[in-house]
Amino acid sequence: DTGVSQDPRHKITKRGQNVTFRCDPISEHNRLYWYRQTLGQGPEFLTYFQNEAQLEKSRLLSDRFSAERPKGSFSTLEIQRTEQGDSAMYLCASSPARDQVYFGPGTRLTVT
Amino acid sequence: AQTVTQSQPEMSVQEAETVTLSCTYDTSESDYYLFWYKQPPSRQMILVIRQEAYKQQNATENRFSVNFQKAAKSFSLKISDSQLGDAAMYFCASGARGSYIPTFGRGTSLIVHP
Repeated sequence: DTGVSQDPRHKITKRGQNVTFRCDPISEHNRLYWYRQTLGQGPEFLTYFQNEAQLEKSRLLSDRFSAERPKGSFSTLEIQRTEQGDSAMYLCASSPARDQVYFGPGTRLTVT
Repeated sequence: AQTVTQSQPEMSVQEAETVTLSCTYDTSESDYYLFWYKQPPSRQMILVIRQEAYKQQNATENRFSVNFQKAAKSFSLKISDSQLGDAAMYFCASGARGSYIPTFGRGTSLIVHP
């Protein structure tokens, strides 16, 4: 059990570009979450998967954001046409059931 | 919908002393969990302590304990014998047992003075 991993750890992109982040949850965790965290704030929920099914999406998740979890294993979060307001830490977390969530180290996105 | 409020943006404590971090929450759920997470400067969030709402007994984990007041919807964290390694952001969170999507507060920055 190596914990939740995220790739890349840092991403700098120009406004208007598309970016994709990857999350590998702890193996056998069927629940996977994406959160966004900006400086001085707590994590804000974006979306949640149970296995491969995306069960809930926050209103924060605009049409430019899409997340997938093919085969119920790793997940990707894509942001299209990035804006400066998208600059944040994107956190992935996984959970075995109705229990605590385990966070990854996050991907820090900077949009210039 | 759930909301979590942490009214203390920053707290400080002397090493070896005790500090209490406050948290209030609001939920329409009858069955839920409460958590305190720690986020050190490296920014990987780790669980400090959890409490199931149906349990009246306050959770404890070594130097960390909670004061869970269900009627008041209050969930404070007490850190005893504070250590330099306790310096971090602390986030209070709640999650309904049914949907289980944790909602986080804005955090309290804990500074530990040697």
